[in-house]
Amino acid sequence: GAVVSQHPSRVICKSGTSVKIECRSLDFQATTMFWYRQFPKKSLMLMATSNEGSKATYEQGVEKDKFLINHASLTLSTLTVTSAHPEDSSFYICSARDEGGRNSGYNEQFFGPGTRLTVL
Amino acid sequence: EDKVVQSPLSLVVHEGDTVTLNCSYEVTNFRSLLWYKQEKKAPTFLFMLTSSGIEKKSGRLSSILDKKELFSILNITATQTGDSAVYLCAGGGSQGNLIFGKGTKLSVKP
Repeated sequence: GAVVSQHPSRVICKSGTSVKIECRSLDFQATTMFWYRQFPKKSLMLMATSNEGSKATYEQGVEKDKFLINHASLTLSTLTVTSAHPEDSSFYICSARDEGGRNSGYNEQFFGPGTRLTVL
Repeated sequence: EDKVVQSPLSLVVHEGDTVTLNCSYEVTNFRSLLWYKQEKKAPTFLFMLTSSGIEKKSGRLSSILDKKELFSILNITATQTGDSAVYLCAGGGSQGNLIFGKGTKLSVKP
């Protein structure tokens, strides 16, 4: 299957700082990437859909000014958590859809390994 | 509101047992049902089902979809300790989005 990477895998920061998380599709192009958040023992919650070359679509209740998404190329999307607070501590996971290649399947998403964010 | 409900939420079995995990869904403009296995990190893809009644198999795992009853099951036969994980079911809509269930935590004891 397709490979998606995330960087960093783990980050610890002080309250009030901003953190950028990168999501890359390594062997395919992804017009659409998704950002999820997962709290301990909870399921994945979709935060936003990242569209290459256009603005991201945010789910209800997700602050777009706090969670900035940039999808500048067909292989890279970034999520920046601005002015992070302890309640933003979570496991952030991105996924990408291979929309034309050998891995194509309309809903099939390939997940990155996740980023564990801890805000002190 | 779209939702995906999995049952049971947790399950403890012994090696060699067969387990069945359940998933019911209500997803607007439904297109597919996906199963993922999540261990310590991000989910890994298992199956994607789009048609009713066609079983998909991969080794000891198999899954089937019933679009009339809005239901899917994931079977694991001859379970091994390495099967211990959280199994996530997700319903896919026409926007390409996925709605995840809360998962079933499977623990396989030696």
